[in-house]
Amino acid sequence: GESVGLHLPTLSVQEGDNSIINCAYSNSASDYFIWYKQESGKGPQFIIDIRSNMDKRQGQRVTVLLNKTVKHLSLQIAATQPGDSAVYFCAENALNQGGKLIFGQGTELSVKP
Amino acid sequence: DTEVTQTPKHLVMGMTNKKSLKCEQHMGHRAMYWYKQKAKKPPELMFVYSYEKLSINESVPSRFSPECPNSSLLNLHLHALQPEDSALYLCASSTSEYTEAFFGQGTRLTVV
Repeated sequence: GESVGLHLPTLSVQEGDNSIINCAYSNSASDYFIWYKQESGKGPQFIIDIRSNMDKRQGQRVTVLLNKTVKHLSLQIAATQPGDSAVYFCAENALNQGGKLIFGQGTELSVKP
Repeated sequence: DTEVTQTPKHLVMGMTNKKSLKCEQHMGHRAMYWYKQKAKKPPELMFVYSYEKLSINESVPSRFSPECPNSSLLNLHLHALQPEDSALYLCASSTSEYTEAFFGQGTRLTVV
């Protein structure tokens, strides 16, 4: 079946370095993508989204890149801070899915001081 | 108010109990969702409500019964659950089914 997945389950970075979290998706109809951050004991927190008519979108310290040719999504976090430690999920939706926001497996980001 | 509020935060129930989880938002969102999340796993979609009508049921067992009394409230009624139903239950809402969803903090459910 269709799925959204991540290449790496864990990522450890030094404070101040840039982090890159990757996501592969297989549903070619997906046209809306969201990155969420989930801290321990909390619900997922919206970070940034991107629609398929774009290939890059920037927020505060975060950038999402979308490569539709290879069905790949990435989240870049600049100057990673200890507060960025969390599990990061990509999620995908499609106009023809009527609200089925499907989550990938998640990457646990650990920031070393 | 930009929050999705879920109550209770924690719930322990026996397999013969009936309980309800509650979710509330006052952002004027017209789509509301229930997700189930097991430890170290991504959230799994259970139900989607659009304009107070159930639009998606992801083949969820009938021991889970959703209800949307009005545009701000979403309930999940639980009856005769199994220990494997223990999980974090997340509620979310969005302007429509095709915009970003905002999540509550979840209800940590333990079935004994």
